[in-house]
Amino acid sequence: ETGVTQSPTHLIKTRGQQVTLRCSSQSGHNTVSWYQQALGQGPQFIFQYYREEENGRGNFPPRFSGLQFPNYSSELNVNALELDDSALYLCASSPFRDRGTGELFFGEGSRLTVL
Amino acid sequence: QQQVKQSPQSLIVQKGGISIINCAYENTAFDYFPWYQQFPGKGPALLIAIRPDVSEKKEGRFTISFNKSAKQFSLHIMDSQPGDSATYFCAATQGGSEKLVFGKGTKLTVNP
Repeated sequence: ETGVTQSPTHLIKTRGQQVTLRCSSQSGHNTVSWYQQALGQGPQFIFQYYREEENGRGNFPPRFSGLQFPNYSSELNVNALELDDSALYLCASSPFRDRGTGELFFGEGSRLTVL
Repeated sequence: QQQVKQSPQSLIVQKGGISIINCAYENTAFDYFPWYQQFPGKGPALLIAIRPDVSEKKEGRFTISFNKSAKQFSLHIMDSQPGDSATYFCAATQGGSEKLVFGKGTKLTVNP
C-alpha cells in the first residue's frame, strides 16, 4: 500500500511568484485535504477535494486554489506569493464515507520558503 | 480565533515518567477529538482519538481523558520513552468532517 506522497519536498520562491505543489493520495483514498503548517504552529485547513470538486474551504484567500484529478491526485496552487506563505504544506488523504471519521493520512509535506 | 487551545507548549519528562498534554475547545458542536504525533521532517500521524460519548479511551501506553462539561481533553503517555519524543497536536472536528482544527502543538522531550 502506497502512502501519501508530495512533491517537491523543498522549494524557494520570491514574492509575487506562483507555485504548484503536488500530491498523490494513498491507495484507495478519494478525498484530499490540504493544510498549511507555519513554523511552530499546528496545521491549518486550506481546502478539501472530493470527486474533483472543492468540498470545503478554510480561511484562505482565493489566490490559494487547487485541483483534483480523476486518479485522485491533487495540486495546490498559490499565486502572488507573500512572505507569510512560507510554511510546510501538508496533503492528507482519506477514504470518503457518508460520515467521515476525521482520520487523515498525511504526507511528509512540501517546505515552501518565500524570499 | 483559536478554537482549540493546547498546553504546555513544551514538556520535558524523564524516561518512565508520565507525560500529560491538555487541550480545551470552544465549539460545542465538535464531536471528534484526535491526537496526532509528528516527528521532525514527517507529516502528522494519527495516534488516538475519542468521541464525547466516552470519558476515557486507552490504547497501550496512550490514554485520552475527556471532560465534556469542561470542554477539555487530555493525552496521557504512561511510561514515556525517548522514542516518544515528538510534537503532539490535539485537534477537533464535527460531523465527520476532515476539516480538523488543530492546537498549536506540544513538543515533548523524553530524556533517557
